[in-house]
Amino acid sequence: ETGVTQSPTHLIKTRGQQVTLRCSSQSGHNTVSWYQQALGQGPQFIFQYYREEENGRGNFPPRFSGLQFPNYSSELNVNALELDDSALYLCASSLAGLKTFTDTQYFGPGTRLTVL
Amino acid sequence: SQQGEEDPQALSIQEGENATMNCSYKTSINNLQWYRQNSGRGLVHLILIRSNEREKHSGRLRVTLDTSKKSSSLLITASRAADTASYFCATVYNFNKFYFGSGTKLNVKP
Repeated sequence: ETGVTQSPTHLIKTRGQQVTLRCSSQSGHNTVSWYQQALGQGPQFIFQYYREEENGRGNFPPRFSGLQFPNYSSELNVNALELDDSALYLCASSLAGLKTFTDTQYFGPGTRLTVL
Repeated sequence: SQQGEEDPQALSIQEGENATMNCSYKTSINNLQWYRQNSGRGLVHLILIRSNEREKHSGRLRVTLDTSKKSSSLLITASRAADTASYFCATVYNFNKFYFGSGTKLNVKP
């Protein structure tokens, strides 16, 4: 177990709805990254938060947004859900600085989102 | 794309055999990491190799990195049924950005 938890485990939504996914970081970690993993594919980087600020973003539209809280837990919000948003959403926590290497990311078990 | 790409996409071997999977990437990296994923669950970190390293070992795992060819390989020796999983390489850029390939699905038959 990595100590990273995610909720909920599974979620079913309909197209056009909004969803919030939650992630609790491993103790002592200050950075959270979110990934989308479609079936049969590798994880795709959505964005990263470092000390409550967005610290990099992948090729995802603005309807994907996030927050990091003072305790370094994080939320991923997706508005106007589309069928293609159906995927496993993974968060990963790490200890890093803005200009220092991140050696390892510790992944949570993921939230399986199904959009109907 | 900055993503690594694994090869082969799928690999089926007998228990006790060695498994080799490869990863290629396109631009300079800070480091390269290998992760394992069982049945669509969270990823587990296996091993990291920095851009100035050529080879690393961890238990039954051996990773090589050739920065001139922009490629890495992961060797699992004496494979076990429990090694059955998907294996991903992650290339790390700008200190904190991880890019994963589509993975190699390894099946180890008892």
